[in-house]
Amino acid sequence: LAKTTQPISMDSYEGQEVNITCSHNNIATNDYITWYQQFPSQGPRFIIQGYKTKVTNEVASLFIPADRKSSTLSLPRVSLSDTAVYYCLVAPSNTDKLIFGTGTRLQVFP
Amino acid sequence: GAVVSQHPSWVICKSGTSVKIECRSLDFQATTMFWYRQFPKQSLMLMATSNEGSKATYEQGVEKDKFLINHASLTLSTLTVTSAHPEDSSFYICSAPIRGGNSNQPQHFGDGTRLSIL
Repeated sequence: LAKTTQPISMDSYEGQEVNITCSHNNIATNDYITWYQQFPSQGPRFIIQGYKTKVTNEVASLFIPADRKSSTLSLPRVSLSDTAVYYCLVAPSNTDKLIFGTGTRLQVFP
Repeated sequence: GAVVSQHPSWVICKSGTSVKIECRSLDFQATTMFWYRQFPKQSLMLMATSNEGSKATYEQGVEKDKFLINHASLTLSTLTVTSAHPEDSSFYICSAPIRGGNSNQPQHFGDGTRLSIL
C-alpha cells in the first residue's frame, strides 16, 4: 500500500478556505485516494474519494494532479466544527484494507 | 445515520478481565470487517481483518490469542480482549466496507469503544 505524507497540523480561522496536501509518490495505477475526518472519541468518517482530476461534493473538493503523486483536500469556509484530524489514504481498488498515516490535525479558531 | 454500530461505547474493568466488543453492520451485510486500535494523539492502527465464516487475519505484531475475533454472521463481528491489562487500554474501532457500485467503496466506521483497564 502506498505511503502517504501529510502535515502534522494546520491552523485556520473561521470562514477561511483550508487546503491540506498529501504526498503519495508511490501511488499505483489502480490506487484510489480517499480522505477521512475524525473527531475526538469518534470513528473516522468518509469525506471524499477520487482517482484523478477534481472531485467535489457537498463538503469538500479533492484536487489530483495528472501525475497523481499528491492530492489536495480543500475545505471551503471552515467553521469551528471542522476542527478534527484529516487522514489521506491510498489503496488499490482490489482491497478494503486501510493503513492510516499520521493525519493532519486541523484547528479552526474563531 | 450510523451504518456501523459498535457496543459498548466505553468500558472500565479490572485487570485480568476479558472484554467483548461488538461491531454490527446496519442494513447491509459485511463479509469483511476491520478492527483498529488508537492510542491518544496517535493514528489508527489496523489490528486485524475479520472474515465471516473463517479465521481472522491479524497484522504483524498483534497477538491473536490476546485479541480474539469472531465473525459468525454477516452483520456481526466481535473482538474479545482476553485477560486485559492496563496496557490494553485504548480506543478500539471497527469498520466495514459497503459493497455495490464500483470497487474500493469507502468504509464506514463505528464510533469506537473506549476501554480502560484498572
